[in-house]
Amino acid sequence: GAVVSQHPSRVICKSGTSVKIECRSLDFQATTMFWYRQFPKQSLMLMATSNEGSKATYEQGVEKDKFLINHASLTLSTLTVTSAHPEDSSFYICSAGGTAGGLRPSYEQYFGPGTRLTVT
Amino acid sequence: DAKTTQPTSMDCAEGRAANLPCNHSTISGNEYVYWYRQIHSQGPQYIIHGLKNNETNEMASLIITEDRKSSTLILPHATLRDTAVYYCIVRTYTGTASKLTFGTGTRLQVTL
Repeated sequence: GAVVSQHPSRVICKSGTSVKIECRSLDFQATTMFWYRQFPKQSLMLMATSNEGSKATYEQGVEKDKFLINHASLTLSTLTVTSAHPEDSSFYICSAGGTAGGLRPSYEQYFGPGTRLTVT
Repeated sequence: DAKTTQPTSMDCAEGRAANLPCNHSTISGNEYVYWYRQIHSQGPQYIIHGLKNNETNEMASLIITEDRKSSTLILPHATLRDTAVYYCIVRTYTGTASKLTFGTGTRLQVTL
């Protein structure tokens, strides 16, 4: 149980284009979703926290106009990297938590498998 | 900033117990100790968490010192598939999902 999926798993795009990454909670409803970024050989860094139906809260240093987050439903959050550049190439990971109803603890987070973005 | 300190890397022979230490000397009374692991190019996987009592589940055991300033994750019989980066995280329980601050973790290499 507590499955979180991400799509796509890998994406290669050209510099200047935008890329959308989806994060879905498959068997539970999540009121809160988190987006992390991980560069090679580094730890996960939280980018933003999104609550269903409200604006995302971004961590210091993360450009909200560049990384657009939408959390329109309890099972789906999207991260759009706008005007991507090679330095945006990274492993993007989402997690879902704050479960609405159900049997799972509301404070737990469940991670997706990640999306590897390569910008050429 | 992460509130935990872990060794950068450790080796363990397959079949032996892997003991991964973590220091969290500034932990507060309402903060839990969580352990996650990340196998290469995958999302983190929850392992175990605890407040002050020792905990055990099907994956691992968590030993927390009486003063709660350090803990040890024990994988009783390590296998090659346990090779991963292990993250120790302290986290406040708020009743709702709260962000996790990942440190650098310990890279565990299980060898034949």
